[in-house]
Amino acid sequence: DAGVTQSPTHLIKTRGQQATLRCSPISGHTSVYWYQQALGQGPQFIFQYYEEEERQRGNFPDRFSGHQFPNYSSELNVNALLLGDSALYLCASSLKGQGYATNEKLFFGSGTQLSVL
Amino acid sequence: DQQVKQNSPSLSVQEGRISILNCDYTNSMFDYFLWYKKYPAEGPTFLISISSIKDKNEDGRFTVFLNKSAKHLSLHIVPSQPGDSAVYFCAAIGAGGADGLTFGKGTHLIIQP
Repeated sequence: DAGVTQSPTHLIKTRGQQATLRCSPISGHTSVYWYQQALGQGPQFIFQYYEEEERQRGNFPDRFSGHQFPNYSSELNVNALLLGDSALYLCASSLKGQGYATNEKLFFGSGTQLSVL
Repeated sequence: DQQVKQNSPSLSVQEGRISILNCDYTNSMFDYFLWYKKYPAEGPTFLISISSIKDKNEDGRFTVFLNKSAKHLSLHIVPSQPGDSAVYFCAAIGAGGADGLTFGKGTHLIIQP
C-alpha cells in the first residue's frame, strides 16, 4: 500500500508569490495534518483537516490556509510568501481525526521543500 | 518558548552499545509522548510512545522511560545497530490533542562501527 504522498518534492518561489502544496493520505485515512520544519528545528504544527474542515490550528498566520477534498486529499496554500517561509512542509495522515486521539500515530510523507527567493 | 527540549543535537555511540536519547518538557498538560525517527529525504516514522500513566514502555530493542515529576523522558536503544543512525524527535501532546504534536529539535544519533 502507498504511504502518504506529497507533491511537488521541491518548489521554488519568489517573495510575494503563492505556493500550493499537495498531499494524498494513506488509503483509508481520513485526517490530514500539516507541519512546517525549518532547518535545524523540529516540525511545527500548522493545522489539521478532518471531514473537509479545519479542526485545529497551530500558531501560524492566516497566510497559511488549506483545503481537504472529498477523497481526503489536501492542499496547503501559503500566500504572500516571505523568505522565512522557506522550510520542509510535511503532511501526515491518521485513521480518525475529530480532535486528535492520543493513542493515534501519525504517518508522515517525505515532504515538500519550499524555497522562497 | 520551547515546550519540548532535546538538548543534545548529536550523539555518537559504538555499535552494540546502548544509546540513550534524552528529552525534557515544560508543559504539565502533556499526557502522551512519542518518539519519531527520521532518515534523510524521508518523513518521520513513529517509533514508540508512552502514556503519562506509565513510567516505562518497551518494544524490542527500544524502551522509553518517563519521569513525570522531573518532566523528563528518555529513549534507550539496546543494542545499537548501524541502521539506527538517524535523527530522533521527541514529541508530546495534551489531552484532546489540541495544538497537535509538539516536537523537539531532534538528536542526530550516529552509530559507529
